[in-house]
Amino acid sequence: DGGITQSPKYLFRKEGQNVTLSCEQNLNHDAMYWYRQDPGQGLRLIYYSQIVNDFQKGDIAEGYSVSREKKESFPLTVTSAQKNPTAFYLCASRHGGNGFTEAFFGQGTRLTVV
Amino acid sequence: GEDVEQSLFLSVREGDSSVINCTYTDSSSTYLYWYKQEPGAGLQLLTYIFSNMDMKQDQRLTVLLNKKDKHLSLRIADTQTGDSAIYFCAEKDYGQNFVFGPGTRLSVLP
Repeated sequence: DGGITQSPKYLFRKEGQNVTLSCEQNLNHDAMYWYRQDPGQGLRLIYYSQIVNDFQKGDIAEGYSVSREKKESFPLTVTSAQKNPTAFYLCASRHGGNGFTEAFFGQGTRLTVV
Repeated sequence: GEDVEQSLFLSVREGDSSVINCTYTDSSSTYLYWYKQEPGAGLQLLTYIFSNMDMKQDQRLTVLLNKKDKHLSLRIADTQTGDSAIYFCAEKDYGQNFVFGPGTRLSVLP
């Protein structure tokens, strides 16, 4: 079955540590996205990638980094520079093109700083 | 930049109709979407509407689009307890990225 998989589902981080969230898709989608979800604020775009080896900052990129070395994979690193990282992180992908496209979402990773 | 707004909460009785409203700013959006998020999960596409349509019906769901007022609504007929979730309105911006509203938490009371 095709889909988008995020891991782990829950992640705990000590202050000052970097952590990496995994996102893998087997839908052959060109574009991939990372969103952060906080209560009452909806989804805010962190980074996106329209094609392999290229990515762009979203609205709240500070304290985060990404890579896109393979079409299937778009890992997100939450660095120690991110002052308030506790949140629910969602990865999404879609195929390219200007016509109708649907964003497919993973099940999310809940990150908690302890 | 583009902005999408929704009310944050809605409560209805089981069997009643629910109407979730959304306003958006990007008049060039070609598609507008409704996504559903159940607790602790990702978002799933519920329905969408092409910008040259006024209405789209899909079983219990009716989407109404008023392009002049940039207003989108989702009506759920015969609301069930399984419809309790957060509903997100979204548009695709000029850069082909999705812009989501804050989500409306629908609570269905027995």
